[in-house]
Amino acid sequence: ETGVTQTPRHLVMGMTNKKSLKCEQHLGHNAMYWYKQSAKKPLELMFVYSLEERVENNSVPSRFSPECPNSSHLFLHLHTLQPEDSALYLCASSQEVRGTDTQYFGPGTRLTVL
Amino acid sequence: GQQVMQIPQYQHVQEGEDFTTYCNSSTTLSNIQWYKQRPGGHPVFLIQLVKSGEVKKQKRLTFQFGEAKKNSSLHITATQTTDVGTYFCAWRDGNTGKLIFGQGTTLQVKP
Repeated sequence: ETGVTQTPRHLVMGMTNKKSLKCEQHLGHNAMYWYKQSAKKPLELMFVYSLEERVENNSVPSRFSPECPNSSHLFLHLHTLQPEDSALYLCASSQEVRGTDTQYFGPGTRLTVL
Repeated sequence: GQQVMQIPQYQHVQEGEDFTTYCNSSTTLSNIQWYKQRPGGHPVFLIQLVKSGEVKKQKRLTFQFGEAKKNSSLHITATQTTDVGTYFCAWRDGNTGKLIFGQGTTLQVKP
């Protein structure tokens, strides 16, 4: 266990559904991240939060909406997704955004969009 | 933007054989990190290299950072079935926190 938990672990949704992914870190870190891992593609950074403030938005479609209510919790709200959005969504945290300290990944949510 | 290229994409070895994956960049990297992702799992941090020519070892794993800080390698001596997984190199942008990952090398080990 890395101290980063994600729920749900698996999610199947239709294109008209609205769902949310949840991430929680128990490490006292100030920075949290959302990554997308698709088959045959490198991990792609989606969003970066530092102390609940979004500091990076990597040209992600608006059908993905992040929320960071406090430094321990991070959500990814999903609506009107496309089948090509099916992927493993990984949350990570680190002590700070700046610097080169380790990012700890959660187990991920395997999302399938029908 | 900064890109990190990794080869090979796949490698199948017999248990006991050695394995190496390579990571290259067209520009100088301030650091290189290595992660391992087991099948069905998530990336787990292995090590970070920051100095030119740096070599670090973890048991059967040897990590190198090139003199020009444009390439890195991970070498596994005498592979075991527990080494199976995908190995990623990544560059951490110290200003934005971004981790720029290579495509990964998936290692299969035949017992």
